[in-house]
Amino acid sequence: EVQLLESGGGLVQPGGSLRLSCAASGFTISSYAMSWVRQAPGKGLEWVSAISGIGDSTYYADSVKGRFTISRDYSKNTLYLQMNSLRAADTAVYYCAKDLVQVARYYFDYWGQGTLVTVSS
Amino acid sequence: DIQMTQSPSSLSASVGDRVTITCRASQDIRNDLGWYQQKPGKAPKRLIYAASSLQVGVPSTFSGSGSGTEFTLTISSLQPEDFATYYCLQHNSYPPTFGQGTRLEIK
Repeated sequence: EVQLLESGGGLVQPGGSLRLSCAASGFTISSYAMSWVRQAPGKGLEWVSAISGIGDSTYYADSVKGRFTISRDYSKNTLYLQMNSLRAADTAVYYCAKDLVQVARYYFDYWGQGTLVTVSS
Repeated sequence: DIQMTQSPSSLSASVGDRVTITCRASQDIRNDLGWYQQKPGKAPKRLIYAASSLQVGVPSTFSGSGSGTEFTLTISSLQPEDFATYYCLQHNSYPPTFGQGTRLEIK
């Protein structure tokens, strides 16, 4: 059974950093592209970043480019999102989502339960 | 970026009703569209992929149609568990973009 479990969220001050993790089970993350999608409180869904299952191609929304870094650890079968220079506008629930194929095509077939990031002083 | 415009933004309906939600793309996305259901406090769940293909395990009361720039999600007979927020997602063009959501409420 495919499962995705996010962790690492919390309260952080503006300008601070946080690293989110997404532990995958039931499949190997190297075989599929993976993404992060966020949802601000009471708002809609926004794609944030993706990483291909093969090679090291990474993709970012303009709103986070230069501040966020997506990566993965094959040995731990875990996806990460390093978030730096955080802003109040980054406050959201962050979901990791599995793609259907190795290249990033954004066919999100499985999602984690999400982890809340709150940026506030 | 491709803009996805959903309508209506909210909808009140009764159990047993037939409802239709529309998503319009700002340019041709062929059939590269999925529909997702989200309940409060939960992750989105995919219902439809490739505009009209039903995800395994999703009830046949859900159906999708359309191609190009106009797409619809239809629920043929609303069940109590269908009251939720629905989103479309285009993945034809980078970056992927979601519609703003349609909140389906009980009348």
